[in-house]
Amino acid sequence: AQTVTQSQPEMSVQEAETVTLSCTYDTSENNYYLFWYKQPPSRQMILVIRQEAYKQQNATENRFSVNFQKAAKSFSLKISDSQLGDTAMYFCAFTDNAGNMLTFGGGTRLMVKP
Amino acid sequence: SQTIHQWPATLVQPVGSPLSLECTVEGTSNPNLYWYRQAAGRGLQLLFYSVGIGQISSEVPQNLSASRPQDRQFILSSKKLLLSDSGFYLCAWNPGHPSSGNTIYFGEGSWLTVV
Repeated sequence: AQTVTQSQPEMSVQEAETVTLSCTYDTSENNYYLFWYKQPPSRQMILVIRQEAYKQQNATENRFSVNFQKAAKSFSLKISDSQLGDTAMYFCAFTDNAGNMLTFGGGTRLMVKP
Repeated sequence: SQTIHQWPATLVQPVGSPLSLECTVEGTSNPNLYWYRQAAGRGLQLLFYSVGIGQISSEVPQNLSASRPQDRQFILSSKKLLLSDSGFYLCAWNPGHPSSGNTIYFGEGSWLTVV
């Protein structure tokens, strides 16, 4: 069974600075997908970024980028130029190639301070 | 474009009462459908998923059940609610084929408080 671990329950960052959220996972699969989801106070789950394991290039979406280290089974999220609206819970998630189930980490609560 | 809706958004139910949460997806066909639960301050737990009409897989044994009477409709039910059923319930879907990147998309969620 796959597991996803987020070792930072809470983090804070000053507005306009950069922050990195950590995520590690465990799987015996070779092909899979990794995701970061954002959950603001409204509780809606919003997809931030997606990474296919077969791609060596790290995914980037505007201010959000990942550092995907397949051998180390690490998938960190970097948020550049942090904004107040980035304040939220962030969940790392994994799905296998069949994509039938999404396994979540425990989440990291990020607070962006003015 | 595809959209997902779930309702009701909020409900307060007494212990022992029945439950019905409904979810529908528009703009796609034969999606994979999911019910997740999130307890306060915690991560998401997969409850049920379905790859087709009438096909339900349960991940966690409990007093909840799920049904998929139509291709794009997914219902979460209980005959008798427990206090421990309180939480935030999220319906989700994905197109069910790897070309979509296996991305799962979520509804707005339903807050259930059992009193």
